[in-house]
Amino acid sequence: RKEVEQDPGPFNVPEGATVAFNCTYSNSASQSFFWYRQDCRKEPKLLMSVYSSGNEDGRFTAQLNRASQYISLLIRDSKLSDSATYLCVVIGGTSYGKLTFGQGTILTVHP
Amino acid sequence: NAGVTQTPKFRILKIGQSMTLQCTQDMNHNYMYWYRQDPGMGLKLIYYSVGAGITDKGEVPNGYNVSRSTTEDFPLRLELAAPSQTSVYFCASTYGTDYNEQFFGPGTRLTVL
Repeated sequence: RKEVEQDPGPFNVPEGATVAFNCTYSNSASQSFFWYRQDCRKEPKLLMSVYSSGNEDGRFTAQLNRASQYISLLIRDSKLSDSATYLCVVIGGTSYGKLTFGQGTILTVHP
Repeated sequence: NAGVTQTPKFRILKIGQSMTLQCTQDMNHNYMYWYRQDPGMGLKLIYYSVGAGITDKGEVPNGYNVSRSTTEDFPLRLELAAPSQTSVYFCASTYGTDYNEQFFGPGTRLTVL
């Protein structure tokens, strides 16, 4: 079983749509959770951290369910500029900041 | 600040050749990492360093070596290149560890033929 699993998509949605991405992780000792965004042929950049209580940043909402080892990202009112690959990222219990990545979910927002 | 810089941007190697991928950061970060990303996949950790003189293996270290003589630089050495090492290589750095953002360089696209 992969340490971090995501539905690779692709997701194709119209502008203004709401889209949700899911991610599961296998290491119950994992302690930090993130969503990174990667544009085509570019480096990953942090979109948002994911906290146990859930957190929101504008149109983006992230949720964490430790009992189910499940992370989600909700994007509301999708924009063309949201088209990218969204990477679910986990830091396991061994620390030193080593990131474990899911394979990414491709989102395309069309007019 | 330039952030994390990587050179070269692109490189084509023949099987059996060697090369060094350069990574420099100007943010005074102690923690640095090398990842590789194969097409359609997430990133995998090759090596990491928690400070000058201290390095350790990640998930996929075979065929690579690293050194960390200064805080700023973390070069990745490929010995005896193989087609399986065709990938995009990203260097990253961070100030702290588990809760801090990692900053990535623009990547080096390597093809081994």
